[in-house]
Amino acid sequence: DAGVTQSPTHLIKTRGQQVTLRCSPKSGHDTVSWYQQALGQGPQFIFQYYEEEERQRGNFPDRFSGHQFPNYSSELNVNALLLGDSALYLCASSPYTGELFFGEGSRLTVL
Amino acid sequence: AQSVSQHNHHVILSEAASLELGCNYSYGGTVNLFWYVQYPGQHLQLLLKYFSGDPLVKGIKGFEAEFIKSKFSFNLRKPSVQWSDTAEYFCAVKGTYKYIFGTGTRLKVLA
Repeated sequence: DAGVTQSPTHLIKTRGQQVTLRCSPKSGHDTVSWYQQALGQGPQFIFQYYEEEERQRGNFPDRFSGHQFPNYSSELNVNALLLGDSALYLCASSPYTGELFFGEGSRLTVL
Repeated sequence: AQSVSQHNHHVILSEAASLELGCNYSYGGTVNLFWYVQYPGQHLQLLLKYFSGDPLVKGIKGFEAEFIKSKFSFNLRKPSVQWSDTAEYFCAVKGTYKYIFGTGTRLKVLA
């Protein structure tokens, strides 16, 4: 039973560039959430997708956008990267009960 | 404002010692509470959850937590820790869709 998979695992970008992170949810899960975890902090909610729509958004600027595909997989896009965007980006999928199942994350470094 | 506070940022214990990690939350609605654990090099995993009913909940690996509504607390306990419990522990409260995480507690168990 495949868990939540994310790609890439590590990437380095420079300021001003754009990045796309990908997530495949756990089998049977239809909801995908994205979290940002800065060093020494807990995960911060970016947004959640359900039925291909953004259902809720956290306190992140419009530079952060996402998408959910018909197969429930999801992408997180970040435009105009800033140094402060350096973090671990976590994808979590949920069944109808709402519990989060996390992937291993994509570590983004912005230089 | 919705928030979760974990007051112990770093805890060092010897094997067989008892563990209690503090978690206090601020949330106005129906409370669903969680503890997640992140072992070195692994993804966040659910340790235990409270939705309703018995305020003393038991999780995996001998962990338990007690929901005390009057104190807005959900402290994690284990009677006797093992070296393999070395990890980072996150308390979280679930909102309508998003989870609000604490900043985490790094536990180091000395063999």
